[in-house]
Amino acid sequence: DTEVTQTPKHLVMGMTNKKSLKCEQHMGHRAMYWYKQKAKKPPELMFVYSYEKLSINESVPSRFSPECPNSSLLNLHLHALQPEDSALYLCASSRENGYYQETQYFGPGTRLLVL
Amino acid sequence: RKEVEQDPGPFNVPEGATVAFNCTYSNSASQSFFWYRQDCRKEPKLLMSVYSSGNEDGRFTAQLNRASQYISLLIRDSKLSDSATYLCVVPAQGGKLIFGQGTELSVKP
Repeated sequence: DTEVTQTPKHLVMGMTNKKSLKCEQHMGHRAMYWYKQKAKKPPELMFVYSYEKLSINESVPSRFSPECPNSSLLNLHLHALQPEDSALYLCASSRENGYYQETQYFGPGTRLLVL
Repeated sequence: RKEVEQDPGPFNVPEGATVAFNCTYSNSASQSFFWYRQDCRKEPKLLMSVYSSGNEDGRFTAQLNRASQYISLLIRDSKLSDSATYLCVVPAQGGKLIFGQGTELSVKP
């Protein structure tokens, strides 16, 4: 079962709100990723977790705060976002991290609108 | 030169047509490559992995030319359901995926 789940599917928030995006996988994968995707553009990597430790932060603004409570879960905490942060947020996982041939499996995404 | 470049598209083809997408990459050390497919407002899904000279899966054939740093995806006998954006993806160190801009395919009846 190559399934990554994400909640919520849609989220509308104001610029002063705090919200969290959740991602879960039960494939025993040890690497998890957050991506941001704008319309008609490819996904952009935000964060990489490997064995529950943050290994890559692609210079993401601090209003985005990732968290990996355990090997199956990945959260993205949102605070004081800007309208330009509106996008599709994708979570992905892979068996390991750092190996060139590892396939990443994507969740369905959370479509975020910041008002 | 961009790390991964694709034909911009869109490609508009009739059902039953054969269509090919091209992708070039800049890192000559890259060992493996992926084609992902992304439907409108959905997540990317792995279509094919390419580790050696090529790969074939039914109507889909991926070819790799390491000397020219070029990957192609051939779709034979196009179906309406093949309409999607096709993303050429090159893995990089640290688990990063380098995505091309994507090629949009529209298959018409």
